[in-house]
Amino acid sequence: DQQVKQNSPSLSVQEGRISILNCDYTNSMFDYFLWYKKYPAEGPTFLISISSIKDKNEDGRFTVFLNKSAKHLSLHIVPSQPGDSAVYFCAASAVGNEKLTFGTGTRLTIIP
Amino acid sequence: EPEVTQTPSHQVTQMGQEVILRCVPISNHLYFYWYRQILGQKVEFLVSFYNNEISEKSEIFDDQFSVERPDGSNFTLKIRSTKLEDSAMYFCASSETGKNQPQHFGDGTRLSIL
Repeated sequence: DQQVKQNSPSLSVQEGRISILNCDYTNSMFDYFLWYKKYPAEGPTFLISISSIKDKNEDGRFTVFLNKSAKHLSLHIVPSQPGDSAVYFCAASAVGNEKLTFGTGTRLTIIP
Repeated sequence: EPEVTQTPSHQVTQMGQEVILRCVPISNHLYFYWYRQILGQKVEFLVSFYNNEISEKSEIFDDQFSVERPDGSNFTLKIRSTKLEDSAMYFCASSETGKNQPQHFGDGTRLSIL
């Protein structure tokens, strides 16, 4: 099941710079997208979401961009902080459906 | 901040035994979910539950699995006759109103089948 893909397994960013995490999807029925952060031995923590009627949603340091024509979304974190070091998952749900389909995750490391 | 709590954090069970994983969703949430993550694989959906019945289930969620909300606070996942391949992290989640609302996850139960 490759409906949601995160092609970068890892990313390292200097503290204070922008972190950009990417996610691609193939299912055109997806209409709601989320980003989660996960620390070891904890469950996924919700960060930010976006509906397909929007192309951008912002919450503090976190901004999610959605490009429906490219079936691509990205998460921008600025400025990056050491506490942002974690695994980031994108997830999506389809029209009329609550089931979340997850990507494989990207491990973000913030370098002090 | 309200959170989803799961117990136990780690369960070790002999193959063929039954196991019950417990979850307390966020109190004003109406939709409940179970997901699992086999080591090295993606988080995958098992089942969603609303208004005391299953609203959707994946092909993984066969007759070996069942869910129940036995009282006003707990939400359980029962796995009958466990198999080695049931070893995974099991996550419970809840959301306030279902579709287009974020699902909030517990810290999971690590299930190890011997």
